[in-house]
Amino acid sequence: QSVLTQPPSASGTPGQSVAISCSGSSSNIGSNNLYWYQQFPGTAPKLLICTNSQRPSGVPERMSASKSGTSGSLAISGLRSEDEADYYCVAWDDRLGGPVFGGGTKLTVL
Amino acid sequence: EVHLVESGGGLVQPGGSLRLSCAGSRFDIIGNYMTWVRQAPGKGLEWVSVIDSRDGARYADSVKGRFTISRDNAKNTLFLQMNSLRVEDTGVYYCTRGPALYGDRDFWGQGTQVTVSS
Repeated sequence: QSVLTQPPSASGTPGQSVAISCSGSSSNIGSNNLYWYQQFPGTAPKLLICTNSQRPSGVPERMSASKSGTSGSLAISGLRSEDEADYYCVAWDDRLGGPVFGGGTKLTVL
Repeated sequence: EVHLVESGGGLVQPGGSLRLSCAGSRFDIIGNYMTWVRQAPGKGLEWVSVIDSRDGARYADSVKGRFTISRDNAKNTLFLQMNSLRVEDTGVYYCTRGPALYGDRDFWGQGTQVTVSS
């Protein structure tokens, strides 16, 4: 049982938009920044969004995110086949003194 | 370019021990929050242990009393001593700066495989 709650799966067709939600609590998302990672099979997670909505260098503009209160959302527009991956939300938890993760969302591009 | 390189994984029998290392390149591990994160086969990411900027350590309940995190500043290396290993400790172990603390300077290693099996 993950501390942050994400839907286990999401899907869309090429060109469509998709959103992935992430829900937490006051001790994590409610008081700290939310991050999003993208992971392909057999590889390490790659930072997609930092500090709630900032895109690191090299991440396309069609990847965006927002945070409000104790939840956040990752949006991907203009879906491409190469977006098919697992997506994780992460935030620091003040009560735990460590990071907490969502269970991951498997994105399928139909 | 910054690199974190893990090593020390392998196959071990239940009850055995392993020591994982994570060497920093073009990056000083000292003074940073560093975390070990693991991923069981086909599962999500799970926090294992964190060492804070003042070398305070915290552990997930699943590994408390069995794992010890430490770092050697002279060698710029993070360690995870894993004792009394269980089958459920099997997975890929990643060392990370942070995560979710340093903006676009959250760094992850490539991971090292730990397999606990008889």
